[in-house]
Amino acid sequence: QKEVEQDPGPLSVPEGAIVSLNCTYSNSAFQYFMWYRQYSRKGPELLMYTYSSGNKEDGRFTAQVDKSSKYISLFIRDSQPSDSATYLCATNSGGYQKVTFGTGTKLQVIP
Amino acid sequence: DSGVTQTPKHLITATGQRVTLRCSPRSGDLSVYWYQQSLDQGLQFLIQYYNGEERAKGNILERFSAQQFPDLHSELNLSSLELGDSALYFCASSVGGTGTYEQYFGPGTRLTVT
Repeated sequence: QKEVEQDPGPLSVPEGAIVSLNCTYSNSAFQYFMWYRQYSRKGPELLMYTYSSGNKEDGRFTAQVDKSSKYISLFIRDSQPSDSATYLCATNSGGYQKVTFGTGTKLQVIP
Repeated sequence: DSGVTQTPKHLITATGQRVTLRCSPRSGDLSVYWYQQSLDQGLQFLIQYYNGEERAKGNILERFSAQQFPDLHSELNLSSLELGDSALYFCASSVGGTGTYEQYFGPGTRLTVT
């Protein structure tokens, strides 16, 4: 079992839709949670960074962490064609532990 | 643009050969991380250096090695290359040495082994 599981998609939505991207993880020691966006043939770009449970909002993006169910979510409101990319969740337990990435969900926003 | 630079962008080489990938971190960042990304394995952590010293090791093969120089740039050396080593190799950097710091990724080096 992988430490971080993510549905690879692809997920196709119409422009303006609300997108929900999700990950589950198995290690209860994970405390730091990240979402990266990766455009084709580019490096991952950090979108959101949260600590422990709760919500964090940044513009059209909201990251949500539920540690009780080991569930991480990223919501994108008013999705745009420019949001079309692969979204990677990532997590670690802090200290000198490595960051573990999900395999990514490919999102396509149709104009 | 993350401020992390990687060279070369593309590399095509034959099995059995050795290559060196180079990374320059963002100004002020002391940590460098190397990752391998393939279609079936996703983003895999290889190794981390902090201020010249190895800090953490992931799924790095013995045929691979890395170092970080006094000017903080890093090199990843891949030897006795196999077809399965074909992948995207990313470098990331962060200010601090622990995994709690935000990591910024470079554009990657696409390695093709034929």
